[in-house]
Amino acid sequence: GDSVTQMEGPVTLSEEAFLTINCTYTATGYPSLFWYVQYPGEGLQLLLKATKADDKGSNKGFEATYRKETTSFHLEKGSVQVSDSAVYFCALSDLSTGNQFYFGTGTSLTVIP
Amino acid sequence: NAGVMQNPRHLVRRRGQEARLRCSPMKGHSHVYWYRQLPEEGLKFMVYLQKENIIDESGMPKERFSAEFPKEGPSILRIQQVVRGDSAAYFCASSPGDYSNQPQHFGDGTRLSIL
Repeated sequence: GDSVTQMEGPVTLSEEAFLTINCTYTATGYPSLFWYVQYPGEGLQLLLKATKADDKGSNKGFEATYRKETTSFHLEKGSVQVSDSAVYFCALSDLSTGNQFYFGTGTSLTVIP
Repeated sequence: NAGVMQNPRHLVRRRGQEARLRCSPMKGHSHVYWYRQLPEEGLKFMVYLQKENIIDESGMPKERFSAEFPKEGPSILRIQQVVRGDSAAYFCASSPGDYSNQPQHFGDGTRLSIL
């Protein structure tokens, strides 16, 4: 079945450091891939998405490229800020399984000044 | 605000009482999903509904939990005879349901505390 595997946290970085959060997936069809961010006390917000192979999603300095050959969708940011501290979730939606969504377990990021 | 609306934001119940959590999807969305998030843990899928239909309830506990999404009105997640272990944040999400692979949109959640 479909699934998402995310790098386990927590991750702690200094401000302006480079961020990578790994995400790999298993899907029976041709999924769309998403990254969500959850700030403390809030719901999940869509950060970026990619709907087909080689697409790059980007938003607020974050990027992720849909790699079909490695079934990956790693999240990257060149220079993190304290305000990026949050929990990040990788997710997929696969039309071949209806409109079901599959989420990773989340990766907690703390950025220290 | 045309986003996903959940209420109440905070709900306190004593053991043995019933908890009813409500979710109004985004305008134009016909699919609703419920998730549970325990402290320091990830998101656990519970149930996926369309109007008047349960599509996938594989994540729902077999007892005490039920969900509905009636033709009119919000989706309801109902927990009967609550226990301490039900304390968690419950999130609702909605999507258009038009099979276009659009992202889910989340509400701010209901934080359920059991005394």
